[in-house]
Amino acid sequence: AQSVSQHNHHVILSEAASLELGCNYSYGGTVNLFWYVQYPGQHLQLLLKYFSGDPLVKGIKGFEAEFIKSKFSFNLRKPSVQWSDTAEYFCAVSPNDYKLSFGAGTTVTVRA
Amino acid sequence: DAGVIQSPRHEVTEMGQEVTLRCKPISGHNSLFWYRQTMMRGLELLIYFNNNVPIDDSGMPEDRFSAKMPNASFSTLKIQPSEPRDSAVYFCASSLGPNSPLHFGNGTRLTVT
Repeated sequence: AQSVSQHNHHVILSEAASLELGCNYSYGGTVNLFWYVQYPGQHLQLLLKYFSGDPLVKGIKGFEAEFIKSKFSFNLRKPSVQWSDTAEYFCAVSPNDYKLSFGAGTTVTVRA
Repeated sequence: DAGVIQSPRHEVTEMGQEVTLRCKPISGHNSLFWYRQTMMRGLELLIYFNNNVPIDDSGMPEDRFSAKMPNASFSTLKIQPSEPRDSAVYFCASSLGPNSPLHFGNGTRLTVT
């Protein structure tokens, strides 16, 4: 069965610090990759997605992610976080046209 | 567009009662998904509809759970009878179709006492 691993359960950092959240998946074939964000009390929103092409993907709010096929990884980065980036971040992988497998999520707390 | 609309936002019920959760997908979206989110299990796909037809219901936990999509603009998830372990946030999501990102509703927080 396919799995998605997010390395950090909870990350705490200060404003202006850089953020990197790890995501690895176990699936040998072609996959579509996503990062979703869930702000406190809200629904999940798409941050960015990778289907093909340039492995460095830029998303909303200054986030980017890099797909490294050899490492089965799709890490999320932001050079300088803001207090408003406090949220839970989910990596998701889809080996087909519909079935998303989500990671357990990483809670990011940004201290002002 | 109003996005995916779910109702109710919160539901508190007693064990044994029937619970019906409702979802209106984004107009024009062909795919609809029901997810359950808990602290223990994270986000789990319960069922997936494409063009109103259930394609994959392998995530439905047991026979107490049922989902319908009578038309392109409405879906329900029913739990009968409900149990305390069903307490979770239930999200509905829709998408344009294959390989399209999901748009999630605000969720229904279900508490079964």
